[in-house]
Amino acid sequence: AQKVTQAQTEISVVEKEDVTLDCVYETRDTTYYLFWYKQPPSGELVFLIRRNSFDEQNEISGRYSWNFQKSTSSFNFTITASQVVDSAVYFCALIDYGNKLVFGAGTILRVKS
Amino acid sequence: DVKVTQSSRYLVKRTGEKVFLECVQDMDHENMFWYRQDPGLGLRLIYFSYDVKMKEKGDIPEGYSVSREKKERFSLILESASTNQTSMYLCASSLQVYQPQHFGDGTRLSIL
Repeated sequence: AQKVTQAQTEISVVEKEDVTLDCVYETRDTTYYLFWYKQPPSGELVFLIRRNSFDEQNEISGRYSWNFQKSTSSFNFTITASQVVDSAVYFCALIDYGNKLVFGAGTILRVKS
Repeated sequence: DVKVTQSSRYLVKRTGEKVFLECVQDMDHENMFWYRQDPGLGLRLIYFSYDVKMKEKGDIPEGYSVSREKKERFSLILESASTNQTSMYLCASSLQVYQPQHFGDGTRLSIL
């Protein structure tokens, strides 16, 4: 069965620091999709990125970047020059042939000014 | 922009009551989902639906049922609410299975 592990329960940084959120996944399928979502204090989950298993290119979007490594089954998320508005819970998720989106437990990010 | 609307942000009910949580999406999405979110456990899938009048059990369906009479509306029903169902409930929809799910604001349900 598929599984997503976010080992970091909570991370605190000072504004402008870089921070990396770790995500490790397990699946037996060769075709799968990985996602990152952000949940700000308001509660609504916001989609950030989707990556399929055949595309190992890293992606950068502004201050956000994602590192996908199939060899280590990891899909890590880095925020460069963090800001207070980045404070949220971040979830990594996986969907494979089972067609159910499985979430990690989430990482709480606190960015202090 | 996709809009998923949940009927209540906060709800307080009593043990044994039948509770209805409503969710409506406005983008003609085929797939709709109900999750519950608990600290340290992430989001867990309760039920999902790929089409009208169709439903599939997720990972934790016990104590819940669902109804999808119209494509845009997906209801979660707690048949006889219990205190261990106190949680945040999130509804989501997607156009296709592998595409991103769009979430509502959530309903924080307390069972007393």
